[in-house]
Amino acid sequence: EVQLVESGGGLVQPGGSLRLSCAASGFTFTTYWMSWVRQVPGKGLEWVANINKDGSEKFYVDSVKGRFTISRDNAKNALYLQMNTLRAEDTAVYSCARAPGGGIRFDPWGQGTLVTVSS
Amino acid sequence: QSVLTQPPSVSAAPGQKVTISCSGSSSNIGNNYVSWYQQLPGTAPKLLIYDNNWRPSGIPDRFSGSKSGTSATLGITGLQTGDEADYYCGSWDSSLSAGVFGGGTKLTVL
Repeated sequence: EVQLVESGGGLVQPGGSLRLSCAASGFTFTTYWMSWVRQVPGKGLEWVANINKDGSEKFYVDSVKGRFTISRDNAKNALYLQMNTLRAEDTAVYSCARAPGGGIRFDPWGQGTLVTVSS
Repeated sequence: QSVLTQPPSVSAAPGQKVTISCSGSSSNIGNNYVSWYQQLPGTAPKLLIYDNNWRPSGIPDRFSGSKSGTSATLGITGLQTGDEADYYCGSWDSSLSAGVFGGGTKLTVL
């Protein structure tokens, strides 16, 4: 069974940092693009970042460029999102998703981890 | 403001058909694939349609997708109360080099 389990969320002050992790299992991790998508509770979906199979290509939404870094460790079947200089508007549930072929096709999604940026 | 435009809500009776529209531009829907997602209350989104009109295994053929120009449509036939959910369209935007979603459409099965 394909599983994606996020961790690392929590409460952080504005300007702070947080590193999210996504543990993947049940599929050959190295053969898939991976993504992060976020959702403010009660609001819509926002794509955050994509990374290709070997980590050599990365794409970000404009609002996080220069502050967030997506990465992966194929030996550990793990996806990461390093988030720096966090702002209140980054508060959301962050989910990782498998992205066959890259792009906007996400299947499946993890359950997400809540990041709250507040003083 | 979402890059892709969806109606905030749609409704229909059980057993009926409903369509949800998704409008974009040449930089996204017009030249890239569209995916559709269903998000039931309190759950993670689920892929319903990819590459404009393909269903992943396990998705019933009551769900269909189409695309014409810079717009896409999700169709759901034989509506069930269990279809009540939020539905999102998504596409890649070549100008932004970014993924974009619609604002979501809440489906109510009356």
